[in-house]
Amino acid sequence: DAGITQSPRHKVTETGTPVTLRCHQTENHRYMYWYRQDPGHGLRLIHYSYGVKDTDKGEVSDGYSVSRSKTEDFLLTLESATSSQTSVYFCAISEGPEGAYEQYFGPGTRLTVT
Amino acid sequence: AQSVAQPEDQVNVAEGNPLTVKCTYSVSGNPYLFWYVQYPNRGLQFLLKYITGDNLVKGSYGFEAEFNKSQTSFHLKKPSALVSDSALYFCAVRDGGAGSYQLTFGKGTKLSVIP
Repeated sequence: DAGITQSPRHKVTETGTPVTLRCHQTENHRYMYWYRQDPGHGLRLIHYSYGVKDTDKGEVSDGYSVSRSKTEDFLLTLESATSSQTSVYFCAISEGPEGAYEQYFGPGTRLTVT
Repeated sequence: AQSVAQPEDQVNVAEGNPLTVKCTYSVSGNPYLFWYVQYPNRGLQFLLKYITGDNLVKGSYGFEAEFNKSQTSFHLKKPSALVSDSALYFCAVRDGGAGSYQLTFGKGTKLSVIP
């Protein structure tokens, strides 16, 4: 998985609670991404980062925030979890100039909001 | 805006037969195209990419894909399917223009190879 780890791997939480997912990479990649995967939707980009403290919104960013205080860690926070945020979350890094080439994915975090 | 269409939710093929998984795309600039595979309860694995050059690109596990600019297609192919190829396949595209960071994925095609 290209030196990418995600934690936790599984989490069950209650509606209204805050949740933080962590992505950690060991290979000093500049570009990092958070996606969610839902049946019938493929993967949809939540937020991405192009450097420390440089982040931007993706297609489905409402209800999510991110932080990147150091190169190796990219955190995804659900400020107040809702049942619609039940999903599998994947972190990715990308190769190439300006991260333009292939992306490599972490193992995923399965989040259930009850 | 960029988009990807995978017109088949599921493809069934007999073991040993050739397989094709279809993908068409829309992008305003030069397309960078990718195929990924996902096995159950796993993350996505990169198979192959087209950035520039030869329209036929070869990738991992014997897969190849053909870039067709006029038809805006990037179909994934393999000459002889294996049962172990059964998985979920995703096509993805990004605009090759500078400052474009987002990769757009299709909804996926489930490939079942029947023994």
